[in-house]
Amino acid sequence: DVKVTQSSRYLVKRTGEKVFLECVQDMDHENMFWYRQDPGLGLRLIYFSYDVKMKEKGDIPEGYSVSREKKERFSLILESASTNQTSMYLCASSFWGRGGRTDTQYFGPGTRLTVL
Amino acid sequence: KQEVTQIPAALSVPEGENLVLNCSFTDSAIYNLQWFRQDPGKGLTSLLLIQSSQREQTSGRLNASLDKSSGRSTLYIAASQPGDSATYLCAVPGGAQKLVFGQGTRLTINP
Repeated sequence: DVKVTQSSRYLVKRTGEKVFLECVQDMDHENMFWYRQDPGLGLRLIYFSYDVKMKEKGDIPEGYSVSREKKERFSLILESASTNQTSMYLCASSFWGRGGRTDTQYFGPGTRLTVL
Repeated sequence: KQEVTQIPAALSVPEGENLVLNCSFTDSAIYNLQWFRQDPGKGLTSLLLIQSSQREQTSGRLNASLDKSSGRSTLYIAASQPGDSATYLCAVPGGAQKLVFGQGTRLTINP
């Protein structure tokens, strides 16, 4: 079974703190993704990565950065947390689809982040 | 730009009923469509992936159909059970290995 794990299920931080969210997958997937999910707004893509040290901006990258130093690990960084970054954060991974096609994404359990 | 819509946003039915969840997409040039399930406070679990060359895909009590020409997919759940209560999301390829998700239908099965 594919396993995607996230470092914390729940996290409470103060405004201005630097926050690290970690995601690890064990299926040798090339692609990894970070989403945030908010009521009424659905899932929104923050950043994604096709390979080690590669990253691409998603739909809402402002206020976030990412790091992928190893294939199995993808980190989301909030440089200076703000209250509007309170959300559920979901990590996902997938193989590079044949012919460049999008393959099934496998999700972690999520991290509920509260910024006070 | 691809947009995915799921209506209704919420659905409540008695246990044992058969039901259909709907998904529509604006750009019919897709090669697959996926259905996911999300339990409250949890991540998404892939249920079915249906290729554009298929019209249907089945897994247990679940059956997904895809009609590219009309920009629609349905997820049929037979003999619903309280354990089926969850949010169901559909997603289509959004270019460059990405997915575009609908906002989901929150399903409640009442015992």
